[in-house]
Amino acid sequence: GQSLEQPSEVTAVEGAIVQINCTYQTSGFYGLSWYQQHDGGAPTFLSYNALDGLEETGRFSSFLSRSDSYGYLLLQELQMKDSASYFCAVTVGGSYIPTFGRGTSLIVHP
Amino acid sequence: NAGVTQTPKFQVLKTGQSMTLQCAQDMNHNSMYWYRQDPGMGLRLIYYSASEGTTDKGEVPNGYNVSRLNKREFSLRLESAAPSQTSVYFCASSASSSMLSRGETQYFGPGTRLLVL
Repeated sequence: GQSLEQPSEVTAVEGAIVQINCTYQTSGFYGLSWYQQHDGGAPTFLSYNALDGLEETGRFSSFLSRSDSYGYLLLQELQMKDSASYFCAVTVGGSYIPTFGRGTSLIVHP
Repeated sequence: NAGVTQTPKFQVLKTGQSMTLQCAQDMNHNSMYWYRQDPGMGLRLIYYSASEGTTDKGEVPNGYNVSRLNKREFSLRLESAAPSQTSVYFCASSASSSMLSRGETQYFGPGTRLLVL
């Protein structure tokens, strides 16, 4: 099976930069995804990394190191609306269904 | 496009009652999924359907049944509800099962909040 570890909570101030880490243990790793969820609503897709390196999408970036079984989500210029839960999810070859981590609650303070 | 819709939004059941959660998508997606989310937990897969007419068990299928009624609709049934099934249930869809592993996104519905007393 797969296991993922991410911090349960992260706090930061508006305008700052925050990094949410995710480490995983799995065989046949294919890719790492990130999802955002506001107040228990519908999770929404943020990013996907299959190769080592940084993927940037506006204020959000996602990084993957396959050799370290590690990835992170970087949020820049934090806004109050970024307060949400963030989930990492791994996909393995042969089983295309992602396995989700327990989520990180990001609290952005004024 | 409405995307993924789910009904009902809230439901209270007594132990032993049955109910069906409905899910529909209007994106012409092939694959559909049912997840449950409990406090402090991530999303856990209950069942999925890679295409019309096929269904497969996920991580936590016990106590549930599903029906892929057609390409648009995927329902989840609780035959005899138990308090342990109190949860938030999310339906999701994706264009293609084979593409999902290459980074294709899943689209989620707004969820059904179920309380079993």
